[in-house]
Amino acid sequence: DQQVKQNSPSLSVQEGRISILNCDYTNSMFDYFLWYKKYPAEGPTFLISISSIKDKNEDGRFTVFLNKSAKHLSLHIVPSQPGDSAVYFCAAAPGTYKYIFGTGTRLKVLA
Amino acid sequence: NAGVMQNPRHLVRRRGQEARLRCSPMKGHSHVYWYRQLPEEGLKFMVYLQKENIIDESGMPKERFSAEFPKEGPSILRIQQVVRGDSAAYFCASSLGTENIQYFGAGTRLSVL
Repeated sequence: DQQVKQNSPSLSVQEGRISILNCDYTNSMFDYFLWYKKYPAEGPTFLISISSIKDKNEDGRFTVFLNKSAKHLSLHIVPSQPGDSAVYFCAAAPGTYKYIFGTGTRLKVLA
Repeated sequence: NAGVMQNPRHLVRRRGQEARLRCSPMKGHSHVYWYRQLPEEGLKFMVYLQKENIIDESGMPKERFSAEFPKEGPSILRIQQVVRGDSAAYFCASSLGTENIQYFGAGTRLSVL
């Protein structure tokens, strides 16, 4: 049973437009969420996180939104750049260290 | 300014052999985590270690898998008598503390023939 779900395996976006990556979770006790970006043959790289006491966190071109009632979070990338093309993983950190990852969404930014 | 270092990057083993995967955490990090990623899946937690201690191995298969993080040297994930189903990417992460972000290595891709 998948506790963290990324239902879109892939997404294509034109350069300069907004990319929106979605993530759903099943357990309302999850209180901390992270997004990682992964290039081929590399490890996941931390992007941005959000605690359940917030509903938005912003870092440059990256913004994460959390909707606790819907158990949904999304990552917005504005403007999208070709270098953003990668697989994006959403993760929940129930408690502290045991991250639960989604299956990833492959983002392709078209020049 | 080395990040998390894993070696080897690729490892090929025949069924029944042993696989040893190494992980050196980021400088100053004493918390190490191992995750496994099967094809088309997300990373799955296996084990959490601190120096000389296994803190949580709830994600590790009960047989053939073991992990250690000795006082000196890298953390080792050991898989005995490998089977084809062990073929996966194994990622190590480290953090300053359990409340801190985990930083990942580039992974070891294990192929079992």
